[in-house]
Amino acid sequence: QVQLQESGPGLVKSSQTLSLTCSVSGDSISGSNYYWSWIRQHPVKGLEWIGYVHHTGGTFYNPSLKSRLLIAVDTSRNQFSLRLNFVTAADTAVYYCARTAFGDFLREFDYWGQGILVTVSS
Amino acid sequence: DIQLTQSPSSLSASVGDRVIITCRAGENVNRYLNWYQQKPGRAPKLLISFASTLQSGVPSRFSGSGSATHFTLTINGLQPDDFATYFCQQSYTTLWTFGQGTKVDI
Repeated sequence: QVQLQESGPGLVKSSQTLSLTCSVSGDSISGSNYYWSWIRQHPVKGLEWIGYVHHTGGTFYNPSLKSRLLIAVDTSRNQFSLRLNFVTAADTAVYYCARTAFGDFLREFDYWGQGILVTVSS
Repeated sequence: DIQLTQSPSSLSASVGDRVIITCRAGENVNRYLNWYQQKPGRAPKLLISFASTLQSGVPSRFSGSGSATHFTLTINGLQPDDFATYFCQQSYTTLWTFGQGTKVDI
């Protein structure tokens, strides 16, 4: 059974950096052909795909966040991470990590972490 | 970005009802349209992928149909466990996007 678990601080000060880690069990990041995504859910704006990383190091970033964003993979720990710089109140959301299938027909987020609420304070 | 519009935004239903949720895409997304179910305080759960492929373990009362810009999620015989919020999500373009959600309650 594939499981993902987000970890990191639940409170970040405005203008600072939000850092989260996703630990994966039941699948090997380096051994699979899946991609590994971060998604966030705003109370009002809804669900937003932040971006993904592949174990080869390839990434895709949402253009709206690209200038502030870094997603990286640590295959030795079977983890991937998110760093979002210069956060504001608009970055307050529940952050999810998810395994991402990227095939000819199946392109989906098939396993999700439980989510972590990150609040940006002034 | 491709905008996905779900209707209705919310609905009230009873156990045993047939529920239909619509997702309209601003542009053609072929059949790259997925449906998720989310319960309060939980992560979304994948129900249907590629418009109509039911995920393993998902009850057969759930079904999906559609292509291009018009898609539907149907629940035949609503069960107490089905009261939740449902999201559509397109994976046709480089930037995947979600609908705003449809809340199904009693």
